[in-house]
Amino acid sequence: DTGVSQDPRHKITKRGQNVTFRCDPISEHNRLYWYRQTLGQGPEFLTYFQNEAQLEKSRLLSDRFSAERPKGSFSTLEIQRTEQGDSAMYLCASSRTSYNEQFFGPGTRLTVL
Amino acid sequence: AQKVTQAQTEISVVEKEDVTLDCVYETRDTTYYLFWYKQPPSGELVFLIRRNSFDEQNEISGRYSWNFQKSTSSFNFTITASQVVDSAVYFCALKGGGATNKLIFGTGTLLAVQP
Repeated sequence: DTGVSQDPRHKITKRGQNVTFRCDPISEHNRLYWYRQTLGQGPEFLTYFQNEAQLEKSRLLSDRFSAERPKGSFSTLEIQRTEQGDSAMYLCASSRTSYNEQFFGPGTRLTVL
Repeated sequence: AQKVTQAQTEISVVEKEDVTLDCVYETRDTTYYLFWYKQPPSGELVFLIRRNSFDEQNEISGRYSWNFQKSTSSFNFTITASQVVDSAVYFCALKGGGATNKLIFGTGTLLAVQP
């Protein structure tokens, strides 16, 4: 199996800029998840897709955040008007069903200056 | 509310020692799922095990073993004869049985295995 891939692996941006991250799940997985992880903490759930439908969103996902999965394959996470508090590792995961284990990608580390 | 507590922030052992990582969870769901993940210094979360709430059998996989006890809401992880390559942050996670699909993670335990 090819694992979950994420691009870019690192992103440095200035406050106020927009950024977009991409996630490619394991090919036969129709469930896709985004999490955010800050230093010293466990991952925190952001949002969940089943195929192209976004079925669950965390309250952490403010209006500046938007996620899409237009064809039920890859997904994008966009952050508009970035703030320093957005600096974190953004993790993508996929699973075969809702009750199976989630497999994580390597993450995108965002630094907002 | 659902919650996972990993009270051990850091553990340091010498190679070949056995070590147990504690995980205590809270949920009102009767059906739920528990997981352990390993996050080595490279950063990528690696899945280790999933356990369903209706299956309390302990599991052993090589040097790894897991003890699930519903009576104490605990799902502890033991590494036997630890090795330097076991050095990582270990996360316990919970998924409820309802409509939510998210994993709730603990804060992790940093395990340092000294040679």
